[in-house]
Amino acid sequence: EVQLVQSGAEVKKPGESLRISCQGFGYDYTNYWISWVRQMPGKGLEWMGRIDPSDSYTNYGPSFRGHVSISVDKSINTAYLQWSSLKASDTAIYYCTRHRTYMDVWGNGTTVTVS
Amino acid sequence: VLTQSPATLSLSPGERATLSCRASQSVSSDYLVWYQQRPGLAPRLLIYDASTRATGIPDRFSGSGSGTEFTLTITRLEPEDAALYHCQQYGSALPFTFGPGTKVEIK
Repeated sequence: EVQLVQSGAEVKKPGESLRISCQGFGYDYTNYWISWVRQMPGKGLEWMGRIDPSDSYTNYGPSFRGHVSISVDKSINTAYLQWSSLKASDTAIYYCTRHRTYMDVWGNGTTVTVS
Repeated sequence: VLTQSPATLSLSPGERATLSCRASQSVSSDYLVWYQQRPGLAPRLLIYDASTRATGIPDRFSGSGSGTEFTLTITRLEPEDAALYHCQQYGSALPFTFGPGTKVEIK
């Protein structure tokens, strides 16, 4: 079964750093982009950025460039989303999703609470 | 920019739901997708390329439209269809953008 499994919920303080993960199973991880999508409480979806696991090439959305970092370890089929200094406004659910064009498989989501 | 209407739709089981997604510019190659997000769950792919149902999606769901106007139609609503529905464009130009969503409530 193709699936993306994300790391568990996190509770952090403002200014702390954080890295969450997204591990793929059941498919060739390097054949699809991995994107990260934010959903703030009660809101819609926002595309944050994507990474090509085959060569670590990344693109970021304009609202997120410089505030987060996306990386990958293709040896363990895992992508990461990282913050160096969290803000209260980073409180949200973060989803990873795979795609070539449309996003056909989604992770279970990681809830990040910054307070 | 993608705009979805209505913001909320409240219908009874068995009725038809019509959801609209409008783009500020033409969506290239009709690269428009619809996702369903049930409460507390991750989004799920419903329709891609504007009108192609994803694997396992019942034929009660259909997508149509082109250019800047797209529609998701759900016939014979069931209680399990209560969800937030998102549209998204995935043409070659970044960033990928989502609409604000339409909430479908089942009375």
